[in-house]
Amino acid sequence: QVQLQESGPGLVKPSQTLSLTCTVSGGSISSGGYYWTWIRQTAGKGLEWIGHIYTSGSTKSNPSLDSRVTISVDTSKNQFSLKLNSVTAADTAVYFCAREVTLVRGGTPYDSFDVWGQGTLVTVSS
Amino acid sequence: IRMTQSPSSLSASTGDRVTITCRASQDISTFLAWYQQKPGKAPKVLMYAASMLESGVPSRFSGSGSGTDFTLTISFLQSEDFASYYCLQYYDNPRTFGQGTKVEIK
Repeated sequence: QVQLQESGPGLVKPSQTLSLTCTVSGGSISSGGYYWTWIRQTAGKGLEWIGHIYTSGSTKSNPSLDSRVTISVDTSKNQFSLKLNSVTAADTAVYFCAREVTLVRGGTPYDSFDVWGQGTLVTVSS
Repeated sequence: IRMTQSPSSLSASTGDRVTITCRASQDISTFLAWYQQKPGKAPKVLMYAASMLESGVPSRFSGSGSGTDFTLTISFLQSEDFASYYCLQYYDNPRTFGQGTKVEIK
């Protein structure tokens, strides 16, 4: 059973870079067909999709954050990572890593965030 | 794609029927899911394709809609259903969530 675990600093200073890692256990990150995803949750904006990296290595990120986001994968460590630069207090949030997969049930294809990490709180403050 | 969910919160009693609505800013067909989140936990998928129940989810949960208007109904609220609920469109990237509905005990 695949499990995800976020790790990284809980406190980041304004204008610096937020760096988080998600470790995948119980399965290989290189297994085909998955989007390894970062999602964050704030009290003000709710759940926000940050971006993902596909098994092939291609990435996509939210245009609202696009220029500040880098998502990468380290297959040797079975991890994927998020870097968000030039952070402000508005980036204070609980950050989740998740796996998005396309499933088919009853002939109906659908996408699901089927596995999530527990989430990690990152506070941006001096 | 903007997802507008209502109400933002509601108070209900065990046994009540509860309905939450979600409206998309454009046609998303039935590419909509509903998630439940309890405090301190990650969201968990309840419904997919607008009306299909995820495996293991009780049948008191149901969903409907297509295009831009969707509903999630809990037909007989149980104590374990007091939580927050979010709609999610997966029609296009970026994936977008509704603002959430907190279901509280009256």
